[in-house]
Amino acid sequence: GQQVMQIPQYQHVQEGEDFTTYCNSSTTLSNIQWYKQRPGGHPVFLIQLVKSGEVKKQKRLTFQFGEAKKNSSLHITATQTTDVGTYFCAGRRVSGYSTLTFGKGTMLLVSP
Amino acid sequence: DAGVIQSPRHEVTEMGQEVTLRCKPISGHDYLFWYRQTMMRGLELLIYFNNNVPIDDSGMPEDRFSAKMPNASFSTLKIQPSEPRDSAVYFCASSLLREAFFGQGTRLTVV
Repeated sequence: GQQVMQIPQYQHVQEGEDFTTYCNSSTTLSNIQWYKQRPGGHPVFLIQLVKSGEVKKQKRLTFQFGEAKKNSSLHITATQTTDVGTYFCAGRRVSGYSTLTFGKGTMLLVSP
Repeated sequence: DAGVIQSPRHEVTEMGQEVTLRCKPISGHDYLFWYRQTMMRGLELLIYFNNNVPIDDSGMPEDRFSAKMPNASFSTLKIQPSEPRDSAVYFCASSLLREAFFGQGTRLTVV
């Protein structure tokens, strides 16, 4: 079945440093979504990428979808303590309707 | 809309007992998902419904787990009998084709 791998599993940065998490799918994706889960909370949708090579920005967050639509990345510039949480990518297969397959997430800890 | 509502928020039960988790999806959403989250396995899809019909239950761990959606506004996930390895956070999510909206989750502890 489809697998979505995410690295790193965990990253601890100082406030102001940049952060990147990478997502790789074993199959070509129709689209990819990113979610953020705060400690003790639930996953919350951030963004969806659909087109090959697509880049989207949300303030300090930059999301990319690979040309082959099998990988994606999330980059945070100048992290803040409010960025703490686990970031999940979730891919949807190409054919028909399919559910989202979530990666295991990258836990980000930001020290002030 | 209040979002996806799950109950209870926390459940502690003894091994062997029956556990029922409840979910009210967002009105108008036609997909409902049950996920289980653990540190070891991450977010696992257990089952999902489309228009109240179970579509894929291949993620349900074993026969001890069952899920129902009697109408568009209510779903249950039942574990009978429960075992300590079922301890996890169970999320319900609903969707209208794009993103999934998650409930607050039920933290289940089986002792």
